[in-house]
Amino acid sequence: AQTVTQSQPEMSVQEAETVTLSCTYDTSESDYYLFWYKQPPSRQMILVIRQEAYKQQNATENRFSVNFQKAAKSFSLKISDSQLGDAAMYFCAYRKSGTYKYIFGTGTRLKVLA
Amino acid sequence: GAGVSQSPSNKVTEKGKDVELRCDPISGHTALYWYRQSLGQGLEFLIYFQGNSAPDKSGLPSDRFSAERTGGSVSTLTIQRTQQEDSAVYLCASTPPGTGTTGNTIYFGEGSWLTVV
Repeated sequence: AQTVTQSQPEMSVQEAETVTLSCTYDTSESDYYLFWYKQPPSRQMILVIRQEAYKQQNATENRFSVNFQKAAKSFSLKISDSQLGDAAMYFCAYRKSGTYKYIFGTGTRLKVLA
Repeated sequence: GAGVSQSPSNKVTEKGKDVELRCDPISGHTALYWYRQSLGQGLEFLIYFQGNSAPDKSGLPSDRFSAERTGGSVSTLTIQRTQQEDSAVYLCASTPPGTGTTGNTIYFGEGSWLTVV
């Protein structure tokens, strides 16, 4: 069965600095999608970034980028120039291509220090 | 609607009572999901609807949990004889037609926070 592991329950970063959140996953599939979701105190999950497994190029969305290592089954999120509004829970998620079920990690709580 | 709407936002209930949680997906979205988020845990898949049918109910934790969807729109998650371990945030999400099995985004509501005392 596929699993997603986030080994950092909590991380802190100074405002304007860079932080990397870790995610590893376990699958025997070759075609799948990976996601990072942000959950602020409002509880609504917001998509931060997504990566197709067949693409070698790492996805980037403004200050957010990923380091996708398919062989190592690693999918880390880098947040550059951290802002106070980045403080939230971050969830890594996996979905096998052609299926509907998203599998989520346990989340990393990110604190941004002024 | 503009987004996935869930009600109630917060619910406190006594152990043994039944509760109903409602989800109103984004208009036109055909796929609907229910997830449960317990403290310190990730999101636990409960059930998936495509239209009014539920091809995957495998995540429902016990027969006290049930869900239905009518008119391909609103869904209700019902928990009978609630237990303290049912306390969690129940999140609903939906996706547009044709994206149920692609990599496109699912859209989440703000959840219903259930506390069983």
